Amino acid sequence: DIQMTQSPSSLSASVGDRLTITCRASQSITNNLNWYQQKPGKAPKLLIYAASSFQSGVPSRFSGSGSGTDFTLTISSLQPDDFATYYCQHTHSAPWAFGQGTKVEIK
Amino acid sequence: EVQLVESGGGLVQPGGSLRLSCATSGFTFSGYWMTWVRQAPGKGLEWVANIKHDGSERFYVDSVKGRFSISRDNAKNSLFLQMDSLRAEDTAVYYCARALFTSNWNNDYWGQGSLVTVSS
Repeated sequence: DIQMTQSPSSLSASVGDRLTITCRASQSITNNLNWYQQKPGKAPKLLIYAASSFQSGVPSRFSGSGSGTDFTLTISSLQPDDFATYYCQHTHSAPWAFGQGTKVEIK
Repeated sequence: EVQLVESGGGLVQPGGSLRLSCATSGFTFSGYWMTWVRQAPGKGLEWVANIKHDGSERFYVDSVKGRFSISRDNAKNSLFLQMDSLRAEDTAVYYCARALFTSNWNNDYWGQGSLVTVSS
């Protein structure tokens, strides 16, 4: 089974900061990598699919990159609405799997 | 508008059974694979199962194989998760999600979740 490792597990940041979250797969998953945002008590929301494609309605400050085993989610200028937990997910083959999450908190 | 609404959660004793339902609307249910994902209290997301649009293929995470069964009724636009031999570690919010292939597989729409608590 393919394992996903995210880093960091949590971080503190300020409005306007540039943020990068990384996700590493235990073997190559080509571009079969998605990013989700989850706020407390809410369902996850798809942000980025296929490593770098924007889901409709997602602000352009979010971007994704990477292929193979190493991927990044970047928020170019953190906004108050962005404080949440972010998860990567591989869908390369069953069983699909999520990273453990990165909680973004206000500094 | 795409909508997914889970129901059927609740408190169940260890070893018991529960059946979750996910009622969908706003899209052609029979044309999509579907997914169940769960989240234990204070923990991360865990993929549980997928089912093909016609029900002919099903996939499960190892921890639920032989105990959980994903199914669907395309005539009623509904997805199900039959959970047997429940354990304390199955306590979680269970989400249903639509699976879409656009360059890759992803879960683009999610329900609000249904809480399952396994406790004596």
